[in-house]
Amino acid sequence: DTAVSQTPKYLVTQMGNDKSIKCEQNLGHDTMYWYKQDSKKFLKIMFSYNNKELIINETVPNRFSPKSPDKAHLNLHINSLELGDSAVYFCASSQVGGVGLVEQFFGPGTRLTVL
Amino acid sequence: TQLLEQSPQFLSIQEGENLTVYCNSSSVFSSLQWYRQEPGEGPVLLVTVVTGGEVKKLKRLTFQFGDARKDSSLHITAAQPGDTGLYLCAGPQANDYKLSFGAGTTVTVRA
Repeated sequence: DTAVSQTPKYLVTQMGNDKSIKCEQNLGHDTMYWYKQDSKKFLKIMFSYNNKELIINETVPNRFSPKSPDKAHLNLHINSLELGDSAVYFCASSQVGGVGLVEQFFGPGTRLTVL
Repeated sequence: TQLLEQSPQFLSIQEGENLTVYCNSSSVFSSLQWYRQEPGEGPVLLVTVVTGGEVKKLKRLTFQFGDARKDSSLHITAAQPGDTGLYLCAGPQANDYKLSFGAGTTVTVRA
């Protein structure tokens, strides 16, 4: 009965490959997010979807493409992986789009290592 | 440049000691949140502070929001090894859909 789940937990791949990370939430939330946490533990938002509609698209290379087939799922596809893409990627969800007073629920993270 | 600056970056203390973590900004925030992240897990919300000068207590954890709503602190009394983790403060940017995180304070409590 995990609230926000991500697969895979670990992903090791070669430079230039294409990979996907999947995220699912069973909380009934309207809004989902993708964050990147670098080696210094800095957590930075990448994308946010509200009811399958893209509402935040930070300065992220075009190689990263989020896809939300329904409001319970938000997947992240990365093309032509580079060494600098190595990080931990977190999926999160919240009840409504506003974040000020709203709790975000995070998944366990996917550690991506690009060799 | 980060909107939220946290200090110290690392803190290692003995079980039973007290500690304080700070979160500062030059911007005014409508609210601030504190999250704790344990190794191999995602951040988990501890508290949200909304009113300037507000103090909230969660067992041995005391959270304070500055009067001007530009800073916050987290104080842990009689720390235990279970308090070990990365403590992150976060606040909404002008666009309410975006949450901006500080760089975090890694707390290690030695038994």
